[in-house]
Amino acid sequence: QLQLQESGPGLVKPSETLSLTCTVSGGSISSNNYYWGWIRQPPGKGLEWIGSIYYSGGTYYNPSLKSRVTISADTSKNQFSLKLTSVTAADTAVYYCARQTRFLYYFDFWGQGSLVTVSS
Amino acid sequence: QTVVTQEPSFSVSPGGTVTLTCGLNSGSVSTSYYPSWYQQIPGQAPRTLIYSTNTRSSGVPDRFSGSILGNKAALTITGAQADDESDYYCLLSMGSGIWVFGGGTKLTVL
Repeated sequence: QLQLQESGPGLVKPSETLSLTCTVSGGSISSNNYYWGWIRQPPGKGLEWIGSIYYSGGTYYNPSLKSRVTISADTSKNQFSLKLTSVTAADTAVYYCARQTRFLYYFDFWGQGSLVTVSS
Repeated sequence: QTVVTQEPSFSVSPGGTVTLTCGLNSGSVSTSYYPSWYQQIPGQAPRTLIYSTNTRSSGVPDRFSGSILGNKAALTITGAQADDESDYYCLLSMGSGIWVFGGGTKLTVL
């Protein structure tokens, strides 16, 4: 069974960079059939797609976050990562990593989520 | 800017039928947007219910169904149960590698 697990600091200071890693087990991120994505959810609010990556490096980003987001993949570790620069309190959220099917575009497996709080 | 619209809240009686919708602030939703639906109990990760408009994900009861109704994607729950009380989100593929979630619908079963 595929499993995804987010990891990274739970507290980030304003103006600094948020960094999270998603470790995938039970499957390979090098599969031709999937993208690997990041989604976030501020407390009490809805889901927001941040971006997705194909294992060979192709990336897609939410236009509203594009200037601050970088998603990368490390196939040797079966991990993919999120960096979000210049964070503010508005970036406080639960961050989910998820597998996204490449041709039907839905997210079929999700991590449990990681709460990141932006505060000094 | 593309906005995906959902009813903020909906209420259904146990055993009743409810249809939640997913639209666009400009234009119509079609199968070309590959609409998918997710159920989320607060505090938990989302669960995939429906993908590609009307295909149920593995293990999803057949009381959940997806369709296109008019100019929107729709999620219908037939014979609602107490544990269907959740938040429901749709996701649309806008093309060019852009995906947008709707704002979500809070469903109450009472």
